[in-house]
Amino acid sequence: EVHLVESGGAVVQPGGSLRLSCAAFEFTFEDFTMHWVRQVPGKGLEWVSLITWDATTTDYADAVKGRFTISRDNTKNSLYLQMNSLTTEDTAFYYCVKMTPPWSKRGPFDYWGPGTLVTVSS
Amino acid sequence: DIVMTQSPDSLAVSLGERATINCKSGQSVFDSSNNKNYLAWYQQRPGQPPKLLIFWASTRESGVPDRFSGSGSGTDFTLTISSLQAEDVAVYYCQQYDTSPGTFGQGTKVEIK
Repeated sequence: EVHLVESGGAVVQPGGSLRLSCAAFEFTFEDFTMHWVRQVPGKGLEWVSLITWDATTTDYADAVKGRFTISRDNTKNSLYLQMNSLTTEDTAFYYCVKMTPPWSKRGPFDYWGPGTLVTVSS
Repeated sequence: DIVMTQSPDSLAVSLGERATINCKSGQSVFDSSNNKNYLAWYQQRPGQPPKLLIFWASTRESGVPDRFSGSGSGTDFTLTISSLQAEDVAVYYCQQYDTSPGTFGQGTKVEIK
């Protein structure tokens, strides 16, 4: 069964940095575009970033561009999100998300991790 | 970015009755090269991550009960729950994945009347 497990969420002060990780299991990780999506508790879903299967293409929401960096290590079946210059507006659950079909840049999000909570507060 | 607007924001339906959620995109998400609408529906139960229900506007994900159906094309789409069950209490989101970023609607909360 496909599953994704995020880690790295924590309480951090404004201006601080955090690195989220996502471990992927039971699918050919290197074939799929992966995304990060966030959700402020009790609010809606906000797409954050994507990285294609071969890491040749990345994209970011305007709200995080220049502060967040997405990366992946296909040898470790892992996805990462480096978050710098954090503000209170970045407080949210962060979900690691698999997109389908393989080798595609457009498709539905078929598997979501349980999420990791990032809290930016002084 | 393509703006996705859902209606209503919430609805209360009796058990066994029909629930209908609408989703409107700011521009067409239909690709004439492959005749597909790049539109998905997700269900988020309390305390859980979202779950894919419908993709290509009307294709049910494996394992999704057939009481869930999607319809529509271009800019106007509908998710229908034909006979609401207690386990269907959730927030439902539409998403376009035609153009990056894949934007979501604001969500529709479905409750039992």
